[in-house]
Amino acid sequence: GAGVSQSPRYKVAKRGQDVALRCDPISGHVSLFWYQQALGQGPEFLTYFQNEAQLDKSGLPSDRFFAERPEGSVSTLKIQRTQQEDSAVYLCASMTIDTQYFGPGTRLTVL
Amino acid sequence: GNSVTQMEGPVTLSEEAFLTINCTYTATGYPSLFWYVQYPGEGLQLLLKATKADDKGSNKGFEATYRKETTSFHLEKGSVQVSDSAVYFCALSVRSSNTGKLIFGQGTTLQVKP
Repeated sequence: GAGVSQSPRYKVAKRGQDVALRCDPISGHVSLFWYQQALGQGPEFLTYFQNEAQLDKSGLPSDRFFAERPEGSVSTLKIQRTQQEDSAVYLCASMTIDTQYFGPGTRLTVL
Repeated sequence: GNSVTQMEGPVTLSEEAFLTINCTYTATGYPSLFWYVQYPGEGLQLLLKATKADDKGSNKGFEATYRKETTSFHLEKGSVQVSDSAVYFCALSVRSSNTGKLIFGQGTTLQVKP
């Protein structure tokens, strides 16, 4: 079956621009996570959804970061007024039981 | 707090050599432990997992045993292949509240030479 998909795969933004990153989880997976992976580092947790409810957003680095999952399926991570330090790979994962399945990620480069 | 520490890389081995990548953790509660692998140009893939003390996870010739007494989950393989070249991440998850978020180590790059 289809895995987790993310789009776009690559995004280049000028500093100050807003970006929106999309995640399509595995069908039927209730839980969805977003992570940020800086170059040469392990992924770091950003936020967690159970269906449409955002139950944990403790990892969002600033109020410029916003995530939503309005119908409990597709999720969007939005970053407003991008800064150079936002450059990273953004990973989405959906979960069944206790195993998370990751998408290929979106590589964001802020110039 | 919860954290994972992995041995620093890169680890360079010849084909058919024995592999160990060390991983230790700190956790409140009873974590599940995971190894994920990231092949060049690809996304993170679950390699193996263990959910309680003394469990052994295994897959594709890789093994790791959940050692509560030493808070470790070292990854081993008896004979590596060139195709095992990748970045390996150790991670833990502690069920609390309503989240099972993963906490990752910094990753260990493995390079296997023919």
